[in-house]
Amino acid sequence: GQQVMQIPQYQHVQEGEDFTTYCNSSTTLSNIQWYKQRPGGHPVFLIQLVKSGEVKKQKRLTFQFGEAKKNSSLHITATQTTDVGTYFCAGPGSSNTGKLIFGQGTTLQVKP
Amino acid sequence: SQTIHQWPATLVQPVGSPLSLECTVEGTSNPNLYWYRQAAGRGLQLLFYSVGIGQISSEVPQNLSASRPQDRQFILSSKKLLLSDSGFYLCAWSVTGSRSYTFGSGTRLTVV
Repeated sequence: GQQVMQIPQYQHVQEGEDFTTYCNSSTTLSNIQWYKQRPGGHPVFLIQLVKSGEVKKQKRLTFQFGEAKKNSSLHITATQTTDVGTYFCAGPGSSNTGKLIFGQGTTLQVKP
Repeated sequence: SQTIHQWPATLVQPVGSPLSLECTVEGTSNPNLYWYRQAAGRGLQLLFYSVGIGQISSEVPQNLSASRPQDRQFILSSKKLLLSDSGFYLCAWSVTGSRSYTFGSGTRLTVV
């Protein structure tokens, strides 16, 4: 079945270092979404990418959608302690039900 | 504005006891509704989704069931809880076409 894979599973960085998480789908996606889950909290929608090769920025966060629309990345420049959490990518399921298939998530720890 | 309510926030239940978790959405009509489970430190597993009243699709065979008695109400149930049912249960909604999810604050269930 359709799979969305995300690496790495965990990442520990020193505050101020950069961070990147990668997402790969087994199928071509019509869009890719990114969510952030703070420790003890629930996932919160960050952004959606739709176009092949699309790049979007939110302050220190840069999101990319691959040319083949099968992979994506989230890059955080100069991490801060407020960036701590788990970042999930998600792509639409094969049926027209609005289902999202989530990656396993990348948990980011930032040492002050 | 649209909001999603999920309760209770925390629940400790003995093995073999029944379960009922409720999720309600306000401010929208005919939402797609979803139940996810997240084991400690793990990703999001889709349990059930619903595209309309009385329409429930199950993603994985398990000890749980779901119902949608009203347009904006989604209930997750079990007749007899197992230890393996422990986890963080998240309800989410989306509107067909918008594609992004809004998650509830979740219920942390511990089966003892």
